[in-house]
Amino acid sequence: EVQLVESGGGLVKPGGSLRLSCAASGFTFSSYSMNWVRQAPGKGLEWVSSISSSSSYIYYADSVKGRFTISRDNAKNSLYLQMNSLRAEDTAVYYCARGRNSDYWGQGTLVTVSS
Amino acid sequence: QSVLTQPPSVSAAPGQKVTISCSGSSSNIGNNYVSWYQQLPGTAPKLLIYDNNKRPSGIPDRFSGSKSGTSATLGITGLQTGDEADYYCGTWDSSLRVFGGGTKLTVL
Repeated sequence: EVQLVESGGGLVKPGGSLRLSCAASGFTFSSYSMNWVRQAPGKGLEWVSSISSSSSYIYYADSVKGRFTISRDNAKNSLYLQMNSLRAEDTAVYYCARGRNSDYWGQGTLVTVSS
Repeated sequence: QSVLTQPPSVSAAPGQKVTISCSGSSSNIGNNYVSWYQQLPGTAPKLLIYDNNKRPSGIPDRFSGSKSGTSATLGITGLQTGDEADYYCGTWDSSLRVFGGGTKLTVL
């Protein structure tokens, strides 16, 4: 069974940093690209970043470029999102999702940026 | 402002059919496959349709997808109260992932 479990969310002050993790199981992690997608409270889905299976290709939404860094460790079946210079508008539930079609999603982890 | 345009809401009675539109441009829908996602209240999104019209295993054939030019459509027949959810379309645009703003389906 495919499972994606996010962790690392929490309350952080504006300008602070947070590192999200996504633990994958039930599939060959190293064969799939991975994505981070976020959803602000009461709002729609917003793509954040994607990384190819071997980390050769990495893409970011303009809203996070230069502040967020996506990475993965295929040996540990894990996906990461390092978030720096956090702003109030980064407050959202962050989901990791598998592959080009985002066919499986984790349960999400809530990031709240507030003083 | 989402790159893909969806109606904010649609509604229909149980047993009826509903369609949800997703409008884009030649740089996204016009040249890429479209996916559709269902998000029940308080849960993570779930893939309903991929590659314009394919259903993952376990998705009933009441759900269908189509694409024409720069627009895509999700169809749901035999509506059930359990179908009440937010629905999102998604595709790619120059290596960037884009989603519609979401459509809230109400089953009256």
